[in-house]
Amino acid sequence: EIVMTQSPATLSVSPRERATLSCRASQSVSSNVAWYQQKFGQAPRLLIYDASTRATGIPPRFSGSGSGTEFTLTITSLQSEDFAVYYCQQYNDWPPHTFGQGTKLEIK
Amino acid sequence: EVQLVESGGALVQPGRSLRLSCAASGFTFSTYAMTWVRQAPGEGLEWVSAISSSGASAYYEDSVKGRFTISRDNSKNTLYLQMNSLRVDDTAVYYCASPGGANIRARLFYWGQGTLVTVSS
Repeated sequence: EIVMTQSPATLSVSPRERATLSCRASQSVSSNVAWYQQKFGQAPRLLIYDASTRATGIPPRFSGSGSGTEFTLTITSLQSEDFAVYYCQQYNDWPPHTFGQGTKLEIK
Repeated sequence: EVQLVESGGALVQPGRSLRLSCAASGFTFSTYAMTWVRQAPGEGLEWVSAISSSGASAYYEDSVKGRFTISRDNSKNTLYLQMNSLRVDDTAVYYCASPGGANIRARLFYWGQGTLVTVSS
């Protein structure tokens, strides 16, 4: 089973600043990584897939990069609605399609 | 508009069974692979099971293999998760989700709102 490790567990950033979230796979997953945003009490929402492709309706301040074992989600000019928990997921090797443990993005 | 609506969550005792349903609308259900993902209280997301668009192929996470069965009724646009021999650590919100196509090995684009399963004596 591939282990996805996210860092940091909690990230404190001021509004209008940039946030950089990391995700590392225990073995290569090519570019088969997605990023999800989850707000309290809500279902996850797909942000990025195939490591760098924005899902429909996702604003351009969200971007993804990486391949192999190292992946990054960058959010520029943070808005109030961006403070949430973010998960990465690999869908290269399965079952299962493992998720990372999440990064909580909080207001500084 | 794609909608996924889960139901069937409840409080059950350890060792008992429960069946979850996920009613789909707004798309041709028989052409989409489907997945169950769960989230224990205060914890992260955990992939549980997936099924191909036809229902011919099903996959499970190790901790539920042999206890849970995923199935679908394409004539009723409904996905199911039969959960037997429930354990306390199966307590979670269960989400149904779909990649939005037949490719089962893909990101999950559509999600339901979830249904809570609590396993406790």
